[in-house]
Amino acid sequence: KQEVTQIPAALSVPEGENLVLNCSFTDSAIYNLQWFRQDPGKGLTSLLLIQSSQREQTSGRLNASLDKSSGRSTLYIAASQPGDSATYLCAVQTGANNLFFGTGTRLTVIP
Amino acid sequence: DAGVIQSPRHEVTEMGQEVTLRCKPISGHNSLFWYRQTMMRGLELLIYFNNNVPIDDSGMPEDRFSAKMPNASFSTLKIQPSEPRDSAVYFCASSSPRGYEKLFFGSGTQLSVL
Repeated sequence: KQEVTQIPAALSVPEGENLVLNCSFTDSAIYNLQWFRQDPGKGLTSLLLIQSSQREQTSGRLNASLDKSSGRSTLYIAASQPGDSATYLCAVQTGANNLFFGTGTRLTVIP
Repeated sequence: DAGVIQSPRHEVTEMGQEVTLRCKPISGHNSLFWYRQTMMRGLELLIYFNNNVPIDDSGMPEDRFSAKMPNASFSTLKIQPSEPRDSAVYFCASSSPRGYEKLFFGSGTQLSVL
């Protein structure tokens, strides 16, 4: 069974710092990997989706990379802002209905 | 589009009562998912519909849980009878017909069973 791990579980950084969130998965036979953001009391918002044939995706200050062979993905956030504070989850898709989520990294950006 | 709409946002009920959660997916999306989120277990897939047909309900914890999708714009998740261990946030999500696309989540229903 696919297992998705996110380290660290929590991270605090000062505003303006660049940061990297990590995601690892045990089975490299994936269709895609998604990074989500979850604000307290809210649902998940999809930030970036990387297909298995791609190496990275970028959206604004966010850049996600995928190394399928090693079972790793990173989410890079440039010039962090207090509004980036949230929990970030990664999820790998192995079939039409099989989306395996990590437990998330809770990010706090300190003004 | 208004996104995935769930109701109610909060539900507090007593053990043994029936609970019905509702979801309206994004128009045009043909895949619908019900997830449950708890601190201990994270996000768990309960059931997945494609074109209104339940495809995989292996995540439904017990027979007390049932889900229906009578048409493309509405789905329900029912718990009968409810138990305190069912307390969690229940999310509905939908995705487009192209497959393997981004998943769009509703705001969730916070369920508390006393």
